[in-house]
Amino acid sequence: GAVVSQHPSWVICKSGTSVKIECRSLDFQATTMFWYRQFPKQSLMLMATSNEGSKATYEQGVEKDKFLINHASLTLSTLTVTSAHPEDSSFYICSAQGTSGRYRYEQYFGPGTRLTVT
Amino acid sequence: SQQGEEDPQALSIQEGENATMNCSYKTSINNLQWYRQNSGRGLVHLILIRSNEREKHSGRLRVTLDTSKKSSSLLITASRAADTASYFCATPLGETSGSRLTFGEGTQLTVNP
Repeated sequence: GAVVSQHPSWVICKSGTSVKIECRSLDFQATTMFWYRQFPKQSLMLMATSNEGSKATYEQGVEKDKFLINHASLTLSTLTVTSAHPEDSSFYICSAQGTSGRYRYEQYFGPGTRLTVT
Repeated sequence: SQQGEEDPQALSIQEGENATMNCSYKTSINNLQWYRQNSGRGLVHLILIRSNEREKHSGRLRVTLDTSKKSSSLLITASRAADTASYFCATPLGETSGSRLTFGEGTQLTVNP
């Protein structure tokens, strides 16, 4: 139980294009999903908190118009990197937290998406 | 912002030895969590210790929490090559268990066969 998937697992895109990353909770309902980015050999930095049916809450310094987050259902959140630039190249990881039972207490992490912008 | 600091940043040991990693944090917490990350992969939750607990065990893992010193340690006993990974501590930013997490800088553990 508590499986979170991300798609794609890796993506290469050209500068100026937009890329969408999906995060799905496969066997539980997630009212809250979190998006992190991680640079090589560094820790995870929280970008935003996504709540189903409402606007995402962004951390200080994260541009909400550049990183669009949509949490349309209890099992799916998407992160769209708009007008991507090489400095957006990073490892993006999502996590999901459930609504009931044991899923309320922990965040379950996806496998991550490696984005490379050329 | 990251509030956790971990040491050592890197640790290299031989199989069978014990590995100890430390984490310090700055604000009051109601729990502290440890995660493991294999290179280029997502995080795996290892253990959660609540602020009213001092020690917790799970298999070969032993976690301690000292709220007076705002520090925690993760001990892996009888290490195996498969334990090679990065280990992060994480603390909630809010009061509830479901709060956003802030992660420490991590310890890169290498277990040599």
